[in-house]
Parts: sequence; C-alpha cells; structure tokens
Amino acid sequence: AQSVTQLDSQVPVFEEAPVELRCNYSSSVSVYLFWYVQYPNQGLQLLLKYLSGSTLVKGINGFEAEFNKSQTSFHLRKPSVHISDTAEYFCAVRVGVSGGYNKLIFGAGTRLAVHP
Amino acid sequence: DGGITQSPKYLFRKEGQNVTLSCEQNLNHDAMYWYRQDPGQGLRLIYYSQIVNDFQKGDIAEGYSVSREKKESFPLTVTSAQKNPTAFYLCASSPRSPNSPLHFGNGTRLTVT
Repeated sequence: AQSVTQLDSQVPVFEEAPVELRCNYSSSVSVYLFWYVQYPNQGLQLLLKYLSGSTLVKGINGFEAEFNKSQTSFHLRKPSVHISDTAEYFCAVRVGVSGGYNKLIFGAGTRLAVHP
Repeated sequence: DGGITQSPKYLFRKEGQNVTLSCEQNLNHDAMYWYRQDPGQGLRLIYYSQIVNDFQKGDIAEGYSVSREKKESFPLTVTSAQKNPTAFYLCASSPRSPNSPLHFGNGTRLTVT
C-alpha cells in the first residue's frame, strides 16, 4: 500500500533562514507528487507538483522541491523564509493508473513556524 | 473567478442530529471529494465521486452519506451514526486525469456537542 511520511511534525525557524520540510513516500509504481500549504482555517492551496521530467520543481512563493526516485523522497525547500510562510504543509502522492480512480494520499502535515 | 464554495464556514449541532455540509464548484470538474481533517492526522478521504450519479466510499465513510445529482454539487451528510463528528471538513474537485491536482474549498468546521 502506498503511504506518505512527513518526517517532522513541527519545524521552527527564524525569519530569513533556509528551511527544508521532508517527505518520503512508498510506492512500487509511478507517482505524481504534490506539496500543498494550508493557512489557519482555510483550505489547501497547491504549492508545486512533480509529474515527470526535471527532478527540481519550482512552485509559488519561492518554494521548490526535489524528486529523488532512489530515496523515494520529495523534500520541500525555501532559501529564505518570511513570517508569512507560517502555515501547515502537506505532502501528497497520487498513483498514476490509466483509467479508474487515482487516490491522493496525504502525509500528516508539517507545521512551519517562522519566528522574527 | 472559478472555485469551490463550502458553506457554512462554522456549524454547530447537538449530538444525535444529522447535518448536511454544502459544496459547490464552478470549475467544470468531473471529480469531487470530501476529506476530514483532524489535528496531527492529515486528511482522510470520506467519499469521492468521479461522475454525476456515482460515488464511492473512501477510507472513513462510516456515519457519512453523499449525493451527486449535479456536476457542480456534492453535499455531505454527517449522520448521528458518526461517533466522533467534530472536525474540519474539506471539499475538493479535480479533472479526472491522474496528474491533475485537487482544488480545495475553504472548509467547514463542524462542532457537535
């Protein structure tokens, strides 16, 4: 069965410091990978996605992620965070199956807290 | 602008009452989903629908029911059989292709006392 593990439940960081939010997945087939951000009492907003091609994916708000097939990882990074990046971040995997339903599996989330 | 509208944003009910959460989308997406979010547990799939008049159970369907009579609408009923209904409920939609991301509404926070 496919699963997604976000290795840190909380990540505190100072403003303007770099940050990495870690995500590992388990799947024996091709996957599509996503990172979402959730601000308090709101829905999820797509940050970036990996479908194929270049393993380094750039998203909104200065975030990027690198797909590593051998390590089954899809870590999210930002070189310099802002207070406004304080939110919860979810990694998700969608298994590519031709036809039929493709389930989106979410990790438990990582709460990023940016301090001044 | 296209999007997903969930209403109401906050909902309070007494134990033993059924309650229906609304979800409407104008993105012309075929597929719609309901997720439940609890602190520290991520999102868990309750029901999904790939096409009008068809829907399937997700991982935690017990105590919930849905209908999909129109492409734009996918209401979720939380029944009195749901043992722990207090949670944040998120509706989402997507095109049917597997590489399409989900678009989410802003959620409904249900509190049952």
